[in-house]
Amino acid sequence: EDKVVQSPLSLVVHEGDTVTLNCSYEVTNFRSLLWYKQEKKAPTFLFMLTSSGIEKKSGRLSSILDKKELFSILNITATQTGDSAVYLCAVERSNDMRFGAGTRLTVKP
Amino acid sequence: DAGITQSPRHKVTETGTPVTLRCHQTENHRYMYWYRQDPGHGLRLIHYSYGVKDTDKGEVSDGYSVSRSKTEDFLLTLESATSSQTSVYFCAISDQGPGQSNEQFFGPGTRLTVL
Repeated sequence: EDKVVQSPLSLVVHEGDTVTLNCSYEVTNFRSLLWYKQEKKAPTFLFMLTSSGIEKKSGRLSSILDKKELFSILNITATQTGDSAVYLCAVERSNDMRFGAGTRLTVKP
Repeated sequence: DAGITQSPRHKVTETGTPVTLRCHQTENHRYMYWYRQDPGHGLRLIHYSYGVKDTDKGEVSDGYSVSRSKTEDFLLTLESATSSQTSVYFCAISDQGPGQSNEQFFGPGTRLTVL
């Protein structure tokens, strides 16, 4: 059965720390992997990755995909309290999108 | 937020009653989706639409039906609500379909409680 597994499920850090969130997957007909940030309401798009080894970067956030080992990581450097959220990984297949359960990140002042 | 609204935003209903949730978009995107989000499960696809009157089932479609009579509106109906359908429901839109490597934009969500 296809699955998307995120780890850790939750994480508490202090401002300024660097964090790495993990997403591993086993799916058929892989097309792309996406990361979303969800605060109190709707998930908002962060990155889409389709090729191995090419880092996507936006400010303090970056992400990379390994299609051979079937995982992706999301890095956040110099964390801020505004980074507190649930981070969702989603894998797009040929006919739908499968989401992981999410990692809840809490950044303390 | 990309021009997506959901109504109602909160609803409490009783087991056995019919419930309809509405998603409205102003982006003229072809594809629309309904997801449910439950603790420990992330987001799971219920149904999606690839055009007016064109819909298909997702991962957790049992107990739900959908309709799309206009590009901008996608309705989700629970014919006879059960407590297991208590959840947060999200609508999403995209201008290309599943498998086309495109991002989906999400609405604000509807919190449904079935007593």
